Amino acid sequence: NAGVTQTPKFQVLKTGQSMTLQCAQDMNHNSMYWYRQDPGMGLRLIYYSASEGTTDKGEVPNGYNVSRLNKREFSLRLESAAPSQTSVYFCASSPLADEQYFGPGTRLTVT
Amino acid sequence: QKEVEQNSGPLSVPEGAIASLNCTYSDRGSQSFFWYRQYSGKSPELIMFIYSNGDKEDGRFTAQLNKASQYVSLLIRDSQPSDSATYLCAVNNFNKFYFGSGTKLNVKP
Repeated sequence: NAGVTQTPKFQVLKTGQSMTLQCAQDMNHNSMYWYRQDPGMGLRLIYYSASEGTTDKGEVPNGYNVSRLNKREFSLRLESAAPSQTSVYFCASSPLADEQYFGPGTRLTVT
Repeated sequence: QKEVEQNSGPLSVPEGAIASLNCTYSDRGSQSFFWYRQYSGKSPELIMFIYSNGDKEDGRFTAQLNKASQYVSLLIRDSQPSDSATYLCAVNNFNKFYFGSGTKLNVKP
């Protein structure tokens, strides 16, 4: 089992460019989450999907969109990247919205 | 006011001592509570979760929950240098998870 995988591991974007962060899990979990982590800020929930076919906003959704493509995959899209979106992005999955298992993260820099 | 508050530390303890990490939360409706460990440059990994008031023990780790005081703690007995990391407290409130900013723990050999 690979657990939770994320691609890419690193990305540099220019302001205004768009990109999609990919996340997949092979644990048959129902719930999936996207977080960002900034120095001294802890993890902040961007969007989550309690089950296949549903998505909901988290604490900091502005500037992002998500797609729950199927039970395994949950992608995060930045339509027009801004320097304030420079962060480390983590995807997580959970069997029943309880304990979460995290992917390795994507380090994104927007210049 | 942040949903989850933690002292950022660093908390320094000698090897073999008990490390005590604390967390408070603001929403009384929070249902479940979690402790994660995060090594520098790595992703968070779950240590323990607790749902009910009282203590829950797992090996060297004990989680304590007091819903009346809105307080969660993690005790690490016989601390080892490998326990040196940042410890994140998280609460679940109707599928939304809120994390504290973490407490950095240093265990000195």
